[in-house]
Order: sequence, then structure tokens, then C-alpha cells
Amino acid sequence: QQPVQSPQAVILREGEDAVINCSSSKALYSVHWYRQKHGEAPVFLMILLKGGEQKGHDKISASFNEKKQQSSLYLTASQLSYSGTYFCGTEERPGGGADGLTFGKGTHLIIQP
Amino acid sequence: DGGITQSPKYLFRKEGQNVTLSCEQNLNHDAMYWYRQDPGQGLRLIYYSQIVNDFQKGDIAEGYSVSREKKESFPLTVTSAQKNPTAFYLCASSPGGYTEAFFGQGTRLTVV
Repeated sequence: QQPVQSPQAVILREGEDAVINCSSSKALYSVHWYRQKHGEAPVFLMILLKGGEQKGHDKISASFNEKKQQSSLYLTASQLSYSGTYFCGTEERPGGGADGLTFGKGTHLIIQP
Repeated sequence: DGGITQSPKYLFRKEGQNVTLSCEQNLNHDAMYWYRQDPGQGLRLIYYSQIVNDFQKGDIAEGYSVSREKKESFPLTVTSAQKNPTAFYLCASSPGGYTEAFFGQGTRLTVV
């Protein structure tokens, strides 16, 4: 079942923070986050596993709430380069992602100077 | 440089014709995937393969076929049975084990 992402779109000024949510009605084993710029390939950001810790690098981090089956992606002090569409991909059983992911419809993030 | 290559970048097809999209990777990854992307729909899994000579249907396999004769290659054929084939097609590969998937640059298919 396709996870639900919110918001669908967000416009920020450079330096502001953003939170993107990914929710599922089913129990999840892992959540994968990707960013895609228009016409380009999606680029991997991070993976969160059930029972795992919050992950992050630089000013982008994410958490996974197993009780709510929700993952949140946090972008702190956003930069122009953060613009793009963010997708979460979910996995309902442990397979190492080998069975492919179920992606949400994406969140469009626009960063203005 | 290691990577995943899709060709062609743009493809036009007449209705009723089959067309094959190429996907090649030199990353030595076992798993390969095909996703379809439509505006506002995210990525939807068409087929995936975890090993040579084996592949499984994804969520929207109807009207598509694949082969995996070599580890490096995973071509996708869009058949005339696919009713609405105009879309952006993305190929990906992964070594598995909860690591990142690497995506190709995509093929934009348009039916004319």
C-alpha cells in the first residue's frame, strides 16, 4: 500500500526549516528517503529500520516512529540545493530492500533565496 | 566510472508497437528494478530481479516484460498490451542489505 506523504508541497526561504512526513496504514520494516530534481535520477538520502535510531548527516535527519508507522524527514537551515521532490519508499517485511520499495507520491520542496 | 545507464533518454512509439528500454549497470549489483513515474504519482514498481535468470512482478507489471540474462543488464519491454505507456521509466540497482539503490537517468517514453 502506497504511503502517504505530507505536505504535498512547501515553499521556504533559504535558511528556514522543513519537516516532511511519510505515513503508512501498515506496519513497516524500513523507510528509505530519496530526493529527485526535475528530470534527474532520484538520489539516496538515508534508510531507517524498525528498531533503529534516528539518522542524519549534515543538516538533514530523519526519524521513524514505529507506533505510528510514520517517518519524518527534517531539513534544517535549508539551502537552495535542497530544492526538489522528496520521496519516501517503504518496506513491510525485512528483505533488505531487495523486493523493491513502495514509494509515496512525493513532496515538492522549493527553496527561495 | 561505475554507474547505471539507461538508453535512450527519449523514446517515441507508435500505438500498437512494442519497444525495449535498455538498462545496464557496472556496479556488480545483484538486484535490479524498473519503476514507472507519472506526474503526481511517485514511483511504482514494475518488475524486479534479485539474481540472473530470475525476476518477479511488481505492482504494475501488466503490459510489460523483462529479461535478466546477464547480471549487468535488465531490459524492459513495453508491449502493445500496456494501455497507457507514456511515462518516465527509471531503472535502479542495489547490492541489497539495506543500502542505497542507484538510479539511472531515466527514459521518457511517449506514445504518438
